[in-house]
Amino acid sequence: EAQVTQNPRYLITVTGKKLTVTCSQNMNHEYMSWYRQDPGLGLRQIYYSMNVEVTDKGDVPEGYKVSRKEKRNFPLILESPSPNQTSLYFCASSRTGQGANTGELFFGEGSRLTVL
Amino acid sequence: KQEVTQIPAALSVPEGENLVLNCSFTDSAIYNLQWFRQDPGKGLTSLLLIQSSQREQTSGRLNASLDKSSGRSTLYIAASQPGDSATYLCAVPKTGGFKTIFGAGTRLFVKA
Repeated sequence: EAQVTQNPRYLITVTGKKLTVTCSQNMNHEYMSWYRQDPGLGLRQIYYSMNVEVTDKGDVPEGYKVSRKEKRNFPLILESPSPNQTSLYFCASSRTGQGANTGELFFGEGSRLTVL
Repeated sequence: KQEVTQIPAALSVPEGENLVLNCSFTDSAIYNLQWFRQDPGKGLTSLLLIQSSQREQTSGRLNASLDKSSGRSTLYIAASQPGDSATYLCAVPKTGGFKTIFGAGTRLFVKA
């Protein structure tokens, strides 16, 4: 089954304690992306990756890091989480073409993060 | 700069009614437009993807149309059911780049 898998689905942590949210896709997609969703602010893009070892900032990258060492995995790293990073996080993937993510976007189930 | 707007922000209808959700975008040079459904606290489920060369796509009771020249897409839901209650979002990939722009969504409530 084609899917995007995120872990953990729920996490409560404390300020400053480094954490990683993993994302894996089994569709051989070149493009992967991270979003956060907050009430009243909608979906905002954090980082994206066009292929292995190629990443770029989205609209709200501050406080986050990513890496793309393998095509299927795109982990989101919070080096020193703060309460304003409490949010619902989504990973997505798609094919690429014409220099853009032109394929259908597939989303993971989401990871709800609370930073105390 | 691409901006995506969805109207209305919220909609409440009785069961069985046919309804239309609207999505507008400012830059007509798009590759495709995708409609999603999101249940509260859950992930986004892809409903329909319309390529820029297409005028419409259908899946079951759902029909999405695309008019690039006017910068509009509509999602038509036939014979609505309480199970259709959710937030519906549209999204377009930004031309010449790898960002995707999402609308704020339309929250639909179908009353039994």
